[in-house]
Amino acid sequence: DGGITQSPKYLFRKEGQNVTLSCEQNLNHDAMYWYRQDPGQGLRLIYYSQIVNDFQKGDIAEGYSVSREKKESFPLTVTSAQKNPTAFYLCASSILPGGANQETQYFGPGTRLLVL
Amino acid sequence: GQNIDQPTEMTATEGAIVQINCTYQTSGFNGLFWYQQHAGEAPTFLSYNVLDGLEEKGRFSSFLSRSKGYSYLLLKELQMKDSASYLCAVRDSSNAGKSTFGDGTTLTVKP
Repeated sequence: DGGITQSPKYLFRKEGQNVTLSCEQNLNHDAMYWYRQDPGQGLRLIYYSQIVNDFQKGDIAEGYSVSREKKESFPLTVTSAQKNPTAFYLCASSILPGGANQETQYFGPGTRLLVL
Repeated sequence: GQNIDQPTEMTATEGAIVQINCTYQTSGFNGLFWYQQHAGEAPTFLSYNVLDGLEEKGRFSSFLSRSKGYSYLLLKELQMKDSASYLCAVRDSSNAGKSTFGDGTTLTVKP
């Protein structure tokens, strides 16, 4: 079955530690996105990538880093510089719009990050 | 940039109809999406509008007025399982497919 997987489902981070969240898709989508969601709020864009080996900062990129070495994979690292990392992290992918079309973003199941 | 507003919470009765509004102010527009999100889960796609008018899909309909920066999601014959958060998202006009999300409307369906 095609889809997006994220792992782990829950992740615990100690103070000063970097952690990496995995996101893999087998939908053959060019574009991938990382969002952060805090309780009672919508999704805020952290980073996005339109093509392999290229990515752009979103609205809240500080304290995060990404890589896009393969089309299928877009891991997110939460660095120690991110002072308030506790949140629900969602990865998504889509076909690039290329004009108005109803290709939506498909979301993974999410990773909940908690700071110890 | 984009600014999106939705009501925070709504309550409705099973079997009834509810309308969830979304207003937006954008620097570019390439479509508006509605998503449903149950607690602790990922959002799932409900509807898409890029032209003015009403799009109907079963019990769910979505309306768009681009000149007014306004959309609504209409849910008919409400069921208990419709209790969820409903997110309005506006896609910008760049070719990156980026969307800006509202904070979501939490709908509670009561018996």
